[in-house]
Amino acid sequence: DTAVSQTPKYLVTQMGNDKSIKCEQNLGHDTMYWYKQDSKKFLKIMFSYNNKELIINETVPNRFSPKSPDKAHLNLHINSLELGDSAVYFCASSQGLEETQYFGPGTRLLVL
Amino acid sequence: AQKVTQAQTEISVVEKEDVTLDCVYETRDTTYYLFWYKQPPSGELVFLIRRNSFDEQNEISGRYSWNFQKSTSSFNFTITASQVVDSAVYFCALSDGSGGSNYKLTFGKGTLLTVNP
Repeated sequence: DTAVSQTPKYLVTQMGNDKSIKCEQNLGHDTMYWYKQDSKKFLKIMFSYNNKELIINETVPNRFSPKSPDKAHLNLHINSLELGDSAVYFCASSQGLEETQYFGPGTRLLVL
Repeated sequence: AQKVTQAQTEISVVEKEDVTLDCVYETRDTTYYLFWYKQPPSGELVFLIRRNSFDEQNEISGRYSWNFQKSTSSFNFTITASQVVDSAVYFCALSDGSGGSNYKLTFGKGTLLTVNP
């Protein structure tokens, strides 16, 4: 009965490849997010979707494309992976933008 | 623009000591929300508390307590009688409307707390 789940948990890939990370929440929330945590543990929002609509799009390279097939899912596709994309990516969800965000376990991406 | 400062990068204490983690925030909004999250060595982000800008009452939950002071724009977190299991990175975060745009959660850089036996 995991609230916010992500797959895969670990992802090791070569530079230039394309990869996807999936996120699902069973909390019935309307809003979902993607965050990036760098090697210094700094957490920064990348995207936010509310009712399947993109509402926050921070300064993220357009190699990153979020997709929300329904309110319970928010996937992140990354094209042409670069070394600097190595990080932990967290998905989160909340019932409204100002409400508490609950985070998934994170996906550790390593680009070689 | 909103900003969260956690000036303490690392804190090391011995078990049973009390420890306070500092958090100072900046916002132009009158309505905003403050949060604390814990990230243990296993890596997940665990929600601890949410406080809105109109509620300055201090809160206590077991060994954890929070002191919100609007006058100094601070939202400090105290762990009483610390335990080894409290060892983690603690993040303070602020959510505000950024002058009319969508609410967005901004994190501080985190404080690494190490509790030694």
